[in-house]
Amino acid sequence: EAQVTQNPRYLITVTGKKLTVTCSQNMNHEYMSWYRQDPGLGLRQIYYSMNVEVTDKGDVPEGYKVSRKEKRNFPLILESPSPNQTSLYFCASSLGGDVSSPLHFGNGTRLTVT
Amino acid sequence: GENVEQHPSTLSVQEGDSAVIKCTYSDSASNYFPWYKQELGKRPQLIIDIRSNVGEKKDQRIAVTLNKTAKHFSLHITETQPEDSAVYFCAVNKLSFGAGTTVTVRA
Repeated sequence: EAQVTQNPRYLITVTGKKLTVTCSQNMNHEYMSWYRQDPGLGLRQIYYSMNVEVTDKGDVPEGYKVSRKEKRNFPLILESPSPNQTSLYFCASSLGGDVSSPLHFGNGTRLTVT
Repeated sequence: GENVEQHPSTLSVQEGDSAVIKCTYSDSASNYFPWYKQELGKRPQLIIDIRSNVGEKKDQRIAVTLNKTAKHFSLHITETQPEDSAVYFCAVNKLSFGAGTTVTVRA
């Protein structure tokens, strides 16, 4: 089944403890991205990747890192999480890097930082 | 990213009535306008999209219209059903999303 898989689905952590949220897609998509969803703010892009070893900042990249060593994987790294990073996170992928390819979203990761 | 404004933020309609959600954008060079539906506790899923060379697109009970001159596009849902209750997001290209509209269909 074609899908975007995120893990974990739920994560509770403490301030300053490094964490990684994994994202993997099995559709051979070139484009992958991370969003955070907060009430009243919609989906805001954190980072995106047009292809392997090519990443770029979105609208809200502060406090996050990403890597794209393989085409299928695009992990989101929080080196020192803070409470303002408590949010619902979605990974997404699309076939091409052009702006007109539809996004396929993962099931989301709800992160709580205390 | 681009500034995308979505209205209304909440919408309650009687089953069978129509629902309309409108989004405005700022960059006249934008050329792809998707709409995503997010049911409670689930991921956003594409329901319809339109590209800048088309003014209207329809898929059964949903349609999207685009006015490039005025830089706005709208989602129209006709004959609403309870399963249409969800949060709807407009987007411009892949980068910028509206804040979302919570649609509730009253039986």
